[in-house]
Amino acid sequence: GENVEQHPSTLSVQEGDSAVIKCTYSDSASNYFPWYKQELGKRPQLIIDIRSNVGEKKDQRIAVTLNKTAKHFSLHITETQPEDSAVYFCAASTGGTSYGKLTFGQGTILTVHP
Amino acid sequence: GAVVSQHPSRVICKSGTSVKIECRSLDFQATTMFWYRQFPKQSLMLMATSNEGSKATYEQGVEKDKFLINHASLTLSTLTVTSAHPEDSSFYICSAPGTGVSHGYTFGSGTRLTVV
Repeated sequence: GENVEQHPSTLSVQEGDSAVIKCTYSDSASNYFPWYKQELGKRPQLIIDIRSNVGEKKDQRIAVTLNKTAKHFSLHITETQPEDSAVYFCAASTGGTSYGKLTFGQGTILTVHP
Repeated sequence: GAVVSQHPSRVICKSGTSVKIECRSLDFQATTMFWYRQFPKQSLMLMATSNEGSKATYEQGVEKDKFLINHASLTLSTLTVTSAHPEDSSFYICSAPGTGVSHGYTFGSGTRLTVV
């Protein structure tokens, strides 16, 4: 089955700096790669996703890049703010007309210092 | 957008008792529901996949007789933790595929189970 590895496990940055979180996946059939932000005791909140037919997607301060050949994808957050502090998870699944199970990475605790 | 209502949000039960967690799709029909478990400071781990009208598929290492899943209708999937023990204390969350923003996944709000 799919295996998703996420690094780093913790990331500490100063407000205004950029943060990068990286994930690798093992199943070449995976074609849907979402990123979630999760606050303690809450459901995961989708912040951005990308499908395997594109290499990059951007939404304001957040961007995701995908390298299908190397089977890795990354989350980039620019101009970080204290409210960006949370746990971030990458995930992978097979999408399309019938979505398969979502496999999550181990998570990254992001701390943005004012 | 699509909403999955999950109840209860928190439950405390005594060791040896059973607890039922419900996930209802409010404005769509969920033919499939994924059930995840998340221990403190860990990731979400898939426990099982429920499909309306058929038996659930369990991930390796998950006891099907302990975690009973029922998906009897297109709007309701339930997870029952039977004979709960303290090690079953966790955050349980359901997810319906293909229904969320950009046709991703819609998550329930989660259930914090504490077994004492």
